[in-house]
Amino acid sequence: KQEVTQIPAALSVPEGENLVLNCSFTDSAIYNLQWFRQDPGKGLTSLLLIQSSQREQTSGRLNASLDKSSGRSTLYIAASQPGDSATYLCAVYGNKLVFGAGTILRVKS
Amino acid sequence: DAGVIQSPRHEVTEMGQEVTLRCKPISGHNSLFWYRQTMMRGLELLIYFNNNVPIDDSGMPEDRFSAKMPNASFSTLKIQPSEPRDSAVYFCASSLGLSHGVGYTFGSGTRLTVV
Repeated sequence: KQEVTQIPAALSVPEGENLVLNCSFTDSAIYNLQWFRQDPGKGLTSLLLIQSSQREQTSGRLNASLDKSSGRSTLYIAASQPGDSATYLCAVYGNKLVFGAGTILRVKS
Repeated sequence: DAGVIQSPRHEVTEMGQEVTLRCKPISGHNSLFWYRQTMMRGLELLIYFNNNVPIDDSGMPEDRFSAKMPNASFSTLKIQPSEPRDSAVYFCASSLGLSHGVGYTFGSGTRLTVV
């Protein structure tokens, strides 16, 4: 059974810091990995999708990497801003989409 | 594109009542997923459909839960009878096939409170 773990569970940083969110998964037989953002009381917004044949994806200040063999992914956020405050969820697709519990990020101005 | 549309946004109902949640996937998407999110258990996949056919309903918690997809543009998740422990946010998501190379788009969710 696929299990997805996200570390840390919560993170509070001052504005401008670069930060890394971690995601690990137990079954490396995945087709893709997707990072989502969820604002309080809202739905999920897709940030980045990495297919299993890819190593990383970039969008603006966000960069996500994937090491399928070790079962790890990282989401790098450069020059963090208060508007980045949200919960970040990692999800892996093997035979179904399985989510981690998320990292709650707070960026202080 | 209007995205995945869910209704209602909020639902408050009394224990024992029937609840029906609705979802309209993105036009052209042929896979649809129902998720439940709670503080205790996070996001759980309840059921998913491909080409309107239920593929995996192993996440449906009990027989009180049922889901249908009568056509490509509409799905319902029904709880009958509802119980307080069903209180959660229910999300619908759609994607273009189970091709794995394509991401998932989520609706804004339905916040269900059973009192």
